[in-house]
Amino acid sequence: QQQVKQSPQSLIVQKGGISIINCAYENTAFDYFPWYQQFPGKGPALLIAIRPDVSEKKEGRFTISFNKSAKQFSLHIMDSQPGDSATYFCAASIPGRRALTFGSGTRLQVQP
Amino acid sequence: NAGVTQTPKFQVLKTGQSMTLQCAQDMNHEYMSWYRQDPGMGLRLIHYSVGAGITDQGEVPNGYNVSRSTTEDFPLRLLSAAPSQTSVYFCASSHGDRSWVSGYTFGSGTRLTVV
Repeated sequence: QQQVKQSPQSLIVQKGGISIINCAYENTAFDYFPWYQQFPGKGPALLIAIRPDVSEKKEGRFTISFNKSAKQFSLHIMDSQPGDSATYFCAASIPGRRALTFGSGTRLQVQP
Repeated sequence: NAGVTQTPKFQVLKTGQSMTLQCAQDMNHEYMSWYRQDPGMGLRLIHYSVGAGITDQGEVPNGYNVSRSTTEDFPLRLLSAAPSQTSVYFCASSHGDRSWVSGYTFGSGTRLTVV
């Protein structure tokens, strides 16, 4: 049972375009929703995170949109660059569990 | 400040062998966890710990044991390796209740092949 469903599995975007990755969750107890970026041969690194009391959070070119009623959240990468080419994971956690439940990942390729 | 250190980086085991994957952090983080990463399945939680002496099972704990005798170390033991345990293993740590601010710090992974 996958508690966090992520789509698409892969994404190709032109340089300067907008990359959008979507996630949906089942467990309404989740209260923390981070996005992680992973380059080949490396561990995931925190990109941006949001809590359900806000509907949007922006950090530079990266924005999380959160829809609590639909149980969905998404990552938007504005002005996508070739250096953004990586695998992106959404995740969620519940209070007290102290560990993350991950989506299946999206491999993003930004073409120059 | 080394962060989260995992050893070894690569390992090949024969079916039935046992081994320990090491994980150490020097950030005085309370929370530590182990994940395995398989193609198309994201990262799945194996075991986690909220502090020394306290561990709990994640989504896929079968075939793995952990212990947390110190804050710094969180080794993962494979009791009798099986080909299904071929994967990339990541250890992560986080600063307790500030985890939602600073996130989880991941090691660089151990690539394990069981033949």
